[in-house]
Amino acid sequence: SAVISQKPSRDICQRGTSLTIQCQVDSQVTMMFWYRQQPGQSLTLIATANQGSEATYESGFVIDKFPISRPNLTFSTLTVSNMSPEDSSIYLCSVLLQGSYTEAFFGQGTRLTVV
Amino acid sequence: GQSLEQPSEVTAVEGAIVQINCTYQTSGFYGLSWYQQHDGGAPTFLSYNALDGLEETGRFSSFLSRSDSYGYLLLQELQMKDSASYFCAFEYNFNKFYFGSGTKLNVKP
Repeated sequence: SAVISQKPSRDICQRGTSLTIQCQVDSQVTMMFWYRQQPGQSLTLIATANQGSEATYESGFVIDKFPISRPNLTFSTLTVSNMSPEDSSIYLCSVLLQGSYTEAFFGQGTRLTVV
Repeated sequence: GQSLEQPSEVTAVEGAIVQINCTYQTSGFYGLSWYQQHDGGAPTFLSYNALDGLEETGRFSSFLSRSDSYGYLLLQELQMKDSASYFCAFEYNFNKFYFGSGTKLNVKP
């Protein structure tokens, strides 16, 4: 298993500002992902965080809006830029561990409210 | 395109058996996963089916029929702590998952 620390756990931000969310894992990680979840709804994959290179974004998500860094195997950040109320959501970090390519572990999420 | 359907809500009594169905549509398919999420909590992994058939893990079982683009999660001997949302997700590309909207399971005494 893995312990995933995600910070902050929640935040209320003004529109037009940016928020950076951190994800730290205590185990050997092969892959890291960022998801978005509207409360009570499905999880949507934003991007795959690649170590030392640009993230791979899913359709509908762009680097200018959601820049992602992954400087090492166990740490990643997601920035939500130039926020609007439509960005209000829960953002989740997810990882796959060495030896397991089907069981994803999730952080507790960051609940973001944009006002 | 991609789509996934599962019931929005299911109610059952403690000790009973409940089945949550999942039908999907996708051009790429590697396997089907199930996750449990309690209110305010992180999704936690329950199962992954790559091949047709039934996989059993304790009180939970998961089934997949690739030809029918269909799967289900079976929960036996329901307990109050099983009240949660259950998400079906298909792997459409290596390690990339498309999640359904979730099924809220209410277990009543």
